[in-house]
Amino acid sequence: NAGVTQTPKFRVLKTGQSMTLLCAQDMNHEYMYWYRQDPGMGLRLIHYSVGEGTTAKGEVPDGYNVSRLKKQNFLLGLESAAPSQTSVYFCASSYGGNNEKLFFGSGTQLSVL
Amino acid sequence: DQQVKQNSPSLSVQEGRISILNCDYTNSMFDYFLWYKKYPAEGPTFLISISSIKDKNEDGRFTVFLNKSAKHLSLHIVPSQPGDSAVYFCAASTIQGAQKLVFGQGTRLTINP
Repeated sequence: NAGVTQTPKFRVLKTGQSMTLLCAQDMNHEYMYWYRQDPGMGLRLIHYSVGEGTTAKGEVPDGYNVSRLKKQNFLLGLESAAPSQTSVYFCASSYGGNNEKLFFGSGTQLSVL
Repeated sequence: DQQVKQNSPSLSVQEGRISILNCDYTNSMFDYFLWYKKYPAEGPTFLISISSIKDKNEDGRFTVFLNKSAKHLSLHIVPSQPGDSAVYFCAASTIQGAQKLVFGQGTRLTINP
């Protein structure tokens, strides 16, 4: 009963490097989200998807790209990492978008040096 | 521009007593509010929610109160238990943007034996 799984759990990048964070859910949820958590800022929405093949911008989308090629997967890409992207990243999913509760993964700690 | 604010970064309560966590919001269009609980190295988990048509919602030891005129909600935990020690996030959404939850900064609750 995995729920929402994020890989990797930890990553250190150098400025300018690229990487992709993978999120997988096994609950057949339509909606998926990427959040970042920074000290004193709470969780902020980066991008979200309301279904396979769709993506939309959240509150802080700059510097990130996403793809939802399969319903169960939501990928977050950093094309050219910057120190400001050092954060903890959380993926979440929900059955619908109408105030359905979110199910979160355990997070990815990313450091950009 | 923090639309959802939790002004207390931390709170310490004795086991068995009541814990009260507060949250203020500025956007009068918010009509649905949630509380999430987060343990270290884990993702947030849904705790309790309330719609703006209600002023109180109860689930076991947890009660959420909503004061729309003051744009304030609170989470009461009675009695507090050591396992309640965690970071608590309040979140809010609008009907139009139900998938775009806005989170507060979080309050770290510590329950002392």
